Amino acid sequence: NAGVTQTPKFRVLKTGQSMTLLCAQDMNHEYMYWYRQDPGMGLRLIHYSVGEGTTAKGEVPDGYNVSRLKKQNFLLGLESAAPSQTSVYFCASSYSDEGGQPQHFGDGTRLSIL
Amino acid sequence: KQEVTQIPAALSVPEGENLVLNCSFTDSAIYNLQWFRQDPGKGLTSLLLIQSSQREQTSGRLNASLDKSSGRSTLYIAASQPGDSATYLCAVHAGTASKLTFGTGTRLQVTL
Repeated sequence: NAGVTQTPKFRVLKTGQSMTLLCAQDMNHEYMYWYRQDPGMGLRLIHYSVGEGTTAKGEVPDGYNVSRLKKQNFLLGLESAAPSQTSVYFCASSYSDEGGQPQHFGDGTRLSIL
Repeated sequence: KQEVTQIPAALSVPEGENLVLNCSFTDSAIYNLQWFRQDPGKGLTSLLLIQSSQREQTSGRLNASLDKSSGRSTLYIAASQPGDSATYLCAVHAGTASKLTFGTGTRLQVTL
């Protein structure tokens, strides 16, 4: 059972570089989410998607873009990386947004911006 | 704005002890509350989810309670084991679609 798979697991970027984080889920979930986790701040929602072809902004969307071209994949892009985007990024998915549906998380991508 | 607080930030207990982790939230208009476990360098594993209409949920040695009116939840771990050592996070689902608000977690260490 793969669940939610994130690639890459680690990455170091220079300021101004761009990159894309990939999230794939094999549970046929409609909803997918991108969070960032920073020390002392808890997880914060960046963007989310309620189905194939849809995206929406979360709590901290600035500096990030997302795409959901296929139901199983949710991509997070950094167009011009900044040191403030150094963080651990988690992808999650859920069957629906209704109460009683837990979110399932990947193992994270550790991103450092120099 | 919903805020979630977890106290204590860290806890160390000897093996076999029963323990309680606390979570409080400021806005009682929630859909559900979820407890997660996070191991170092890993993602979050969902432990228990309590819907707003429920008072508690149990899974094995874990019992989570919810008191919406007071904005509190507790996670009770019975007969703790070294394998329970991890960070425990609570999150509330409220407000706009799909938004989980997380606490900063309690780091638990169970010693031999």
